[in-house]
Amino acid sequence: GAGVSQSPSNKVTEKGKDVELRCDPISGHTALYWYRQSLGQGLEFLIYFQGNSAPDKSGLPSDRFSAERTGGSVSTLTIQRTQQEDSAVYLCASTGQAQGTGELFFGEGSRLTVL
Amino acid sequence: GQQLNQSPQSMFIQEGEDVSMNCTSSSIFNTWLWYKQDPGEGPVLLIALYKAGELTSNGRLTAQFGITRKDSFLNISASIPSDVGIYFCAGHLRSQGNLIFGKGTKLSVKP
Repeated sequence: GAGVSQSPSNKVTEKGKDVELRCDPISGHTALYWYRQSLGQGLEFLIYFQGNSAPDKSGLPSDRFSAERTGGSVSTLTIQRTQQEDSAVYLCASTGQAQGTGELFFGEGSRLTVL
Repeated sequence: GQQLNQSPQSMFIQEGEDVSMNCTSSSIFNTWLWYKQDPGEGPVLLIALYKAGELTSNGRLTAQFGITRKDSFLNISASIPSDVGIYFCAGHLRSQGNLIFGKGTKLSVKP
């Protein structure tokens, strides 16, 4: 499709298990973002990839969280040893040089529930 | 870190009413943006503002970038039922890559 694609849309896991969330950005977009949205809350920045530059990981809440972006396209957010407080919607967004600063295109999110 | 204070947190609207919400920050931004999120969806960009003092309209929406670069407001005129949702302000600083979001204003229809 033409938009940002995220999978899975819903994930239920047990505490202590690892999960991987995938983001397929809009083709040609050089920048990719991950945000976390807890119930009724705003968007919490996690990590930002821009081209071949080193990612900005300043928003990752703990070393259990990591993300990679292979080939400048698809990104995977990995949460190890999940905790109940990790339950949230994880949103991915991308943007390209044709867009103005901050003009992000979001996916529909991956809802993670940790039991 | 930088935080955006968005108000009100929630409001009820009656069809035809005008709506106003705002966002303030303790530090300046180079860009202010307003997004809307419908249930089960990701946020969608409504308006982007790039210059201090800029006033921009998009249909029934009007937004302004404050002169101090530390605030922005969004007005919705003559609200309609499909305006319900959560509106987020966001700020971007050129020296940083990430976009900082407010906690949102939830618009609901008056019962």
